Amino acid sequence: EAQVTQNPRYLITVTGKKLTVTCSQNMNHEYMSWYRQDPGLGLRQIYYSMNVEVTDKGDVPEGYKVSRKEKRNFPLILESPSPNQTSLYFCASRPQGAGETQYFGPGTRLLVL
Amino acid sequence: QKEVEQNSGPLSVPEGAIASLNCTYSDRGSQSFFWYRQYSGKSPELIMFIYSNGDKEDGRFTAQLNKASQYVSLLIRDSQPSDSATYLCAVNRGKLIFGQGTELSVKP
Repeated sequence: EAQVTQNPRYLITVTGKKLTVTCSQNMNHEYMSWYRQDPGLGLRQIYYSMNVEVTDKGDVPEGYKVSRKEKRNFPLILESPSPNQTSLYFCASRPQGAGETQYFGPGTRLLVL
Repeated sequence: QKEVEQNSGPLSVPEGAIASLNCTYSDRGSQSFFWYRQYSGKSPELIMFIYSNGDKEDGRFTAQLNKASQYVSLLIRDSQPSDSATYLCAVNRGKLIFGQGTELSVKP
């Protein structure tokens, strides 16, 4: 089954404790991205990757890191989480073309205390 | 001005009615437009995409695009309670730019 997977789905952590949210897709998509979704603010892009070893900042990159060592994986790293990073996070992927459909993972709900 | 704007709603319609969801965008160079449905706590799922001016129909859903007016809409005919969700408009400018979404409530 073609899909985007994320882990963990739910996470409660404390300020300053490094964490990684994994994202994997099995559709051989070049383009992957991370979003956060907050009430009243909609979906905002954090980082994106056009292909392996190519990443770039989205609209709200502060406090986040990513890497793209393999085509299928695009982990999101919070080196020192803070409460304002409490949010619902989505990973997404699509083929390279600008008109291509984007597919979302199931989401990761993060609470930073 | 936001790049993609939607009325946040909630939009309430009775079962069986037509629900009309609207979206405007600021970049005239935008080429492709997407409608996603998102149930509470779930991930967005694609309903339709449209590239050309005019209407595009898929079952009970019709997307309408007017590039001159920078306006894209989604009509849902014969609305069902299961259509109750937040509908996200997205514009592709190399990356997807999302509106804030319109919450739709279909009352039995």
